[in-house]
Amino acid sequence: QVQLQESGPGLVKPSETLSLTCTVSGGSISTYSWSWIRQPPGKGLEWIGSIYFIGSTNYNPSLKSRVTISVDTSKTQFSLKLSSVTAADTAVYYCARHAYGMSQLDYWGQGTLVTVSS
Amino acid sequence: DIQMTQSPSTLSASVGDRVTITCRASQSISTWLAWYQQKPGKAPKLLIYKASTLESGVPSRFSGSGSGTEFTLTISSLQPDDFATYYCQQYNDYPWTFGQGTKVEIK
Repeated sequence: QVQLQESGPGLVKPSETLSLTCTVSGGSISTYSWSWIRQPPGKGLEWIGSIYFIGSTNYNPSLKSRVTISVDTSKTQFSLKLSSVTAADTAVYYCARHAYGMSQLDYWGQGTLVTVSS
Repeated sequence: DIQMTQSPSTLSASVGDRVTITCRASQSISTWLAWYQQKPGKAPKLLIYKASTLESGVPSRFSGSGSGTEFTLTISSLQPDDFATYYCQQYNDYPWTFGQGTKVEIK
């Protein structure tokens, strides 16, 4: 059974860079695409961006100038960096897998709350 | 960006009721639409993809329909486990976008 687990600091200071890693277990990271999605407390879901296992990326234009997503197939991990954070970036961050050859998100991590505060 | 609008935002229903949630896209997305269920404190769970294909393991009381700009998620007989928030998501064009969610509450 594929499992995804987010990890990283739960508290980030304003203007700093948020860094999260998603570790994939129980399945291959290759041949799939992977996404980051976030959800501010009490609000809806926002797609941040995605990466194919060979490294090609797509980002939400609303965040593109601040986002970098990378993949390390040897560690079966992919990562998110979001720079110059503000309180508006406080959210639960989810990593997720795209179904093989398709775009719907079939496996999700449990999510990790990142709070931006000094 | 393609805007996804769900209605209603909140729905009160009883166990056994037939429930329908609507999702409208601001432009045609063919059938590139997924539905997710989210319970408090949990990650979303994929229910339906390509507008009407049931994800493996999802109960058959869930069904989806539609194409173009209008889509529906139907629960044929609401069960206690179904009280949750439901989101539609388009993956026709980047950036992928979600509806604002429909909360299904106990009446």
